[in-house]
Amino acid sequence: EIVLTQSPGTLSLSPGDRATLSCRASQSVSSSYLAWYQQKPGQAPRLLIYDASTRATGVPDRFSGSGYATDFTLTISRLEPDDFAVYYCQQYGTSPGYIFGQGTKLEIK
Amino acid sequence: QVQLVQSGAEVKKPGASVTVSCKTSGYTFTNNLIHWMRQAPGQGLEWMGVINLNNGATSYERKFQDKVAVTRDTSTSTVYMEVSSLTADDTAVYFCARRMAQAWAFDYWGQGTPVTVSS
Repeated sequence: EIVLTQSPGTLSLSPGDRATLSCRASQSVSSSYLAWYQQKPGQAPRLLIYDASTRATGVPDRFSGSGYATDFTLTISRLEPDDFAVYYCQQYGTSPGYIFGQGTKLEIK
Repeated sequence: QVQLVQSGAEVKKPGASVTVSCKTSGYTFTNNLIHWMRQAPGQGLEWMGVINLNNGATSYERKFQDKVAVTRDTSTSTVYMEVSSLTADDTAVYFCARRMAQAWAFDYWGQGTPVTVSS
């Protein structure tokens, strides 16, 4: 069973900073199966990136995804106040169907 | 516009069952798969299962095989998930989500249904 490990657990940055979030898979996965979500308190997750690097509709271009095999990265180039939230990576596998990382909390420093 | 609207919060006693609904609109119901996830308080997301809206076929994560049943009503474009034999560990927010037609990701989500299991 594939495990996704996100790091860091919490990232403290200031508006205008660059954020780099990591998602590491316990075994190689297809880039086509890797997605990133943003979740704010009391809300449903919002799709940001799919196929590891494709921005979802309406997602600002300051969000970018990269990586392959076991190492994937979500980068937010210039943080805005609205970006402080929890971020999850997600991967499709055969069993179970989908796996989520444990999340990275991006908080204001 | 695409919308997934879930039923309201539930409070149940241990051993009971709960059914959460997810009414879809704004797109052709049978074009996409609908998945269910849950999120326990302060925890991450957990995938539970999926239904093919064309034929009603379902697939569940192993731990939910004997606990969860997902069905659909094509006449109302609504998906239902029943969770049985509830315990305190089932206290969570339950989400339905639409899988993208051409990618392995969820582009639209319901607002979430809190389910509390308490005696």
